[in-house]
Amino acid sequence: DTAVSQTPKYLVTQMGNDKSIKCEQNLGHDTMYWYKQDSKKFLKIMFSYNNKELIINETVPNRFSPKSPDKAHLNLHINSLELGDSAVYFCASSQDLLLGPSKTQYFGPGTRLLVL
Amino acid sequence: GEDVEQSLFLSVREGDSSVINCTYTDSSSTYLYWYKQEPGAGLQLLTYIFSNMDMKQDQRLTVLLNKKDKHLSLRIADTQTGDSAIYFCAESILNSGGYQKVTFGTGTKLQVIP
Repeated sequence: DTAVSQTPKYLVTQMGNDKSIKCEQNLGHDTMYWYKQDSKKFLKIMFSYNNKELIINETVPNRFSPKSPDKAHLNLHINSLELGDSAVYFCASSQDLLLGPSKTQYFGPGTRLLVL
Repeated sequence: GEDVEQSLFLSVREGDSSVINCTYTDSSSTYLYWYKQEPGAGLQLLTYIFSNMDMKQDQRLTVLLNKKDKHLSLRIADTQTGDSAIYFCAESILNSGGYQKVTFGTGTKLQVIP
């Protein structure tokens, strides 16, 4: 069974549309994250949620709205998509906020978003 | 501030050793990590080192940490074609909010030539 799963794997859409990416983890973790990886492979954190509460919001435009219906899910909704939103979006989870050797981040396979 | 830099590309012959380097700026990091990203996949943790250690060995992987120079390296012995991937170093810092924030490096693409 996949530990951290994301849907869809690929998303191609027009500028101005609204889209959502879903993430689920079956590890029983308390903390979930969204990262954006651009075309140069730079990986930047966008959001972190702990027990469904927003912990980190790294100056992401408010067109991006994460939603955590429960601890196992963290979805990312994007309004009014722009060309610059094209990237790979990775979801991750960790046991809790205090990372360490036995409490590392587990990454999903990524969602490749292309905005035309 | 947080800035983690790596060289973008490394090419080695199969069987040789690979050394991937990383420099960071924040001296308050608690853990430093190496992740591997294969094409079309997510990141997979390879190994980590606690910031008060100098070296860690894990099978073919050796991590060296020079805290004074804020330099981290990953040595892969007997590099195989399956090691071809992008390697990210990352540091985690315990911030004033009581949680660890992870900053990733720019990634090094390792190409192994058969």
